[in-house]
Amino acid sequence: GAVVSQHPSRVICKSGTSVKIECRSLDFQATTMFWYRQFPKQSLMLMATSNEGSKATYEQGVEKDKFLINHASLTLSTLTVTSAHPEDSSFYICSANADYNEQFFGPGTRLTVL
Amino acid sequence: GQQVMQIPQYQHVQEGEDFTTYCNSSTTLSNIQWYKQRPGGHPVFLIQLVKSGEVKKQKRLTFQFGEAKKNSSLHITATQTTDVGTYFCAEETSGSRLTFGEGTQLTVNP
Repeated sequence: GAVVSQHPSRVICKSGTSVKIECRSLDFQATTMFWYRQFPKQSLMLMATSNEGSKATYEQGVEKDKFLINHASLTLSTLTVTSAHPEDSSFYICSANADYNEQFFGPGTRLTVL
Repeated sequence: GQQVMQIPQYQHVQEGEDFTTYCNSSTTLSNIQWYKQRPGGHPVFLIQLVKSGEVKKQKRLTFQFGEAKKNSSLHITATQTTDVGTYFCAEETSGSRLTFGEGTQLTVNP
């Protein structure tokens, strides 16, 4: 199956700093990628749809100025958590469609903000 | 927005017992997808159901889509310790966006 990678897998940062998370499709091109957030023992919540070459589409309640998304190429989308605070600590997961119907998820990035 | 309710939240079984998780929606679903997430891992696609009354099988796993396309179930026969994880249903909406159910965390005692 298609492979999606994420980097870093874990990050610990101080409150107020910004953190960038990369999502790459390794063996296919993805015009659309998705960013999810998952708190412990909870479900995945879609944050935004990342569109190659255009602005991301954010879900209701997600601050676009706090969660900056850039999809500069067909294989790379980045999520930057700006001015991170402890409440932003979570598991961030990206996904991409390799073909119709099936989404492939990256391994996730666990963010801890101190 | 669209909500997919999933029950039970937790299920503990002895190895060899069967397991079922259910997803329900108050509105008609365009389709339903099922994912498995192992502890510490990421969701892995299992299957997609599209047709009313559809039933699909993958070895010990049986997936059903209700006649009214408002509910779905995943049934595992004779669970094994490798079945441990959280099972999510998800509806795919416009633009391939996924709305996930709350998930059912399955633990299997050997």
